Amino acid sequence: QSALTQPASVSGSPGQSITISCTGTSSDVGGYNYVSWYQQHPGKAPKLMIYEVSNRPSGVSNRFSGSKSGNTASLTISGLQAEDEADYYCSSYTSSSTWVFGGGTKLTVL
Amino acid sequence: EVQLVESGGGIVQPGGSLRLSCAASGFTFSSHWMHWVRQAPGKGLVWVSRIDVDGSSTIYADSVKGRFTISRDNTKNTLYLQMNSLRAEDTAVYYCARGLSPSEANDYWGQGTLVTVSS
Repeated sequence: QSALTQPASVSGSPGQSITISCTGTSSDVGGYNYVSWYQQHPGKAPKLMIYEVSNRPSGVSNRFSGSKSGNTASLTISGLQAEDEADYYCSSYTSSSTWVFGGGTKLTVL
Repeated sequence: EVQLVESGGGIVQPGGSLRLSCAASGFTFSSHWMHWVRQAPGKGLVWVSRIDVDGSSTIYADSVKGRFTISRDNTKNTLYLQMNSLRAEDTAVYYCARGLSPSEANDYWGQGTLVTVSS
């Protein structure tokens, strides 16, 4: 199972919005509404930010939102804050009954 | 409070074995599928394995199939990962994570345990 495709890096200024894409195939992202997004700060465990494409767990800021179109899912962060600087990973269930992560995207807040 | 605490990591020679444990607390362990995810130094997350609520169904990434075995003891609220025939490329931080039904998004993670395969 190949990793989902994410941009290696994105950046934005405080207050701006950014979007991170996650491209897979019809066997994973496109085939199921089981895409999730994780935030990981250096040296820390990942944190679930979005599940089932667009649902936010309790406690996650509503500045984080998710969507999907075809084989590509997206994470949008609005009103960027310094604390949002982290690595972000998407993940999807696959037709092989396994899960696959994206390669990760480093978000820099300028 | 949900807690997942991994242990058992360390340095092992190529071809060797190691068993990781993940002690769970703060939730009904026997009601959740559980996962192992690993992260090589400086690299991204990689899904490793999943086990269902009673251990009757397991599945693995191709990279570890036949070498790793996931299991659980619901009486001890503990998840395990038996790793055999270890290779240098298995060097990583190993995280256990709880699955959130039905998508199995990982809503709680342990702090991770480092496995280093080196001679």
